[in-house]
Amino acid sequence: SQTIHQWPATLVQPVGSPLSLECTVEGTSNPNLYWYRQAAGRGLQLLFYSVGIGQISSEVPQNLSASRPQDRQFILSSKKLLLSDSGFYLCAWSSGTQFYEQYFGPGTRLTVT
Amino acid sequence: GNSVTQMEGPVTLSEEAFLTINCTYTATGYPSLFWYVQYPGEGLQLLLKATKADDKGSNKGFEATYRKETTSFHLEKGSVQVSDSAVYFCALSSTNAGKSTFGDGTTLTVKP
Repeated sequence: SQTIHQWPATLVQPVGSPLSLECTVEGTSNPNLYWYRQAAGRGLQLLFYSVGIGQISSEVPQNLSASRPQDRQFILSSKKLLLSDSGFYLCAWSSGTQFYEQYFGPGTRLTVT
Repeated sequence: GNSVTQMEGPVTLSEEAFLTINCTYTATGYPSLFWYVQYPGEGLQLLLKATKADDKGSNKGFEATYRKETTSFHLEKGSVQVSDSAVYFCALSSTNAGKSTFGDGTTLTVKP
């Protein structure tokens, strides 16, 4: 069966510090991968998605970036965090052979202080 | 572009009450439709799906029917429980890398 992991689960970082969040998927190959952000009490904002290694599409211009160094690894980064980067970050995957239902990781709660 | 409009919350019900959360969509082509549920502090989980017109998705007592003529996918449950308290998201997906469009979510609280 497929599983998706995200770490860390929680993170408190000062403004201006770098960020690296990691997501890995097991039990499937060549998944579509996604990064979302969810502000408190709000809906989901798609940040990045990837259909293959090294292929990243950005949905919202901001000071975040994403990389996919391996087939089942997706990394969200920032060189300098802003207060507005606080939120709940969710990684998800979908299969290109199904109807694109997405499977979400447990999320990372990021607080920028 | 694609869009999903959900009934605004929050929704508060007593245990065993009937639940309806409305969802309408705008999309080109023939999208697949989904309901996801998010419990506090967790990621989203797929609750049910429907992939073509008139399909009924169902799971854990929840149901939703893909109505192409009204572009709707309303979520229903006949008798809610306290454990159903969560945020519910309606979503659709297109063939563009499987990108999904999500509604803003509806918070459901069920009181004993």
